[in-house]
Amino acid sequence: DAKTTQPPSMDCAEGRAANLPCNHSTISGNEYVYWYRQIHSQGPQYIIHGLKNNETNEMASLIITEDRKSSTLILPHATLRDTAVYYCIVRPRIYNQGGKLIFGQGTELSVKP
Amino acid sequence: KAGVTQTPRYLIKTRGQQVTLSCSPISGHRSVSWYQQTPGQGLQFLFEYFSETQRNKGNFPGRFSGRQFSNSRSEMNVSTLELGDSALYLCASSPEDTRGYEQYFGPGTRLTVT
Repeated sequence: DAKTTQPPSMDCAEGRAANLPCNHSTISGNEYVYWYRQIHSQGPQYIIHGLKNNETNEMASLIITEDRKSSTLILPHATLRDTAVYYCIVRPRIYNQGGKLIFGQGTELSVKP
Repeated sequence: KAGVTQTPRYLIKTRGQQVTLSCSPISGHRSVSWYQQTPGQGLQFLFEYFSETQRNKGNFPGRFSGRQFSNSRSEMNVSTLELGDSALYLCASSPEDTRGYEQYFGPGTRLTVT
């Protein structure tokens, strides 16, 4: 599986966009980029995933560079409740192979008033 | 739809004992995965079950085992507990049509081994 690199921590002002980068320079053609977050003492929460096109859902947007070597998770209007550790994971989607998520250290995002 | 539930939420055991943790997946989800989270090692994958069969396994000793029942509920067992087994144990379920990576996690069971 491709290795990911994320900054250990970031700060963001409440109400502003939070842009969380992830480097995955060794990503393969069949590997998707997944984002999860973990709010303190809770189970991780699935946010979004993408292959090569930009994706948007009610929680966030995912921007993947054209060469797919990096991506950015965007929380458009961060709130204090978005304070969490954000994990970027790269995995292939293979039918009937199941889920084995490999979590790195993630980025600890602090949203400040 | 109800989320993933885990019982018990907190547990204190003594070194050498064994423990069984339970997980009920989201209705309709057939895949259940287990993870261990510690401050030193972070989140680590233990194993995954699908249709009562172990489909994936992480790098944990044989003291860690699991099973899945026909209703997709899952249990994990840790035998001969060690102090280092103190951790948050998380269960996640996934609908099959997402190929396993959109996983929905429960709140976890916090195990303390003394």
